[in-house]
Amino acid sequence: AQKVTQAQTEISVVEKEDVTLDCVYETRDTTYYLFWYKQPPSGELVFLIRRNSFDEQNEISGRYSWNFQKSTSSFNFTITASQVVDSAVYFCALSEADLLLVRTGANNLFFGTGTRLTVIP
Amino acid sequence: NAGVMQNPRHLVRRRGQEARLRCSPMKGHSHVYWYRQLPEEGLKFMVYLQKENIIDESGMPKERFSAEFPKEGPSILRIQQVVRGDSAAYFCASSPPARDRGLSGLGTDTQYFGPGTRLTVL
Repeated sequence: AQKVTQAQTEISVVEKEDVTLDCVYETRDTTYYLFWYKQPPSGELVFLIRRNSFDEQNEISGRYSWNFQKSTSSFNFTITASQVVDSAVYFCALSEADLLLVRTGANNLFFGTGTRLTVIP
Repeated sequence: NAGVMQNPRHLVRRRGQEARLRCSPMKGHSHVYWYRQLPEEGLKFMVYLQKENIIDESGMPKERFSAEFPKEGPSILRIQQVVRGDSAAYFCASSPPARDRGLSGLGTDTQYFGPGTRLTVL
């Protein structure tokens, strides 16, 4: 069974502080994909990153960085020097790559419950 | 390069009425997914469709809910005889066809989401 856990329901930081959002996942598949999405107050979902299970390299994109550790089944997200515009709900998601489903393209996402980040000016 | 479009953005219905939610995928995308987000919760998968086919509806309630993705036109999520518990944000996502996947071949493509439809049932 698949499961994504975001234990931090809400986090508040002061502007310019660094903040890490935790994500722990469960899957029986050896091939899977992990995602982070941002949901700002306006409500839409913005794609941030996709990572496949074979690639454990950490990734940095500007002030954002991601730490993927298969040994602990975690895919944590760090925002450096946070800004007010980073205030949003952040969702971690998992997609499994069942070989049978791959042919049809089915890859529905399992989402965590989200972490609400508030950056205080 | 238009993204995923959903309309209406907000929909108010009285109990017992029907709700129709529309989703136009990104250009070139032939896979459509519907998700529901209840207040203060994460998104839950409902149904996955390709043109004229429902591939996976394992997350769809058995009654009152249906979805289609016709050869022409948007995907439609239809909720009949709405109840208060149907109040939620409904998100549509699209991804490209499998043949357009990269050399990785396997699995998954990124799903790009629309802005959502917020359904309120009075």
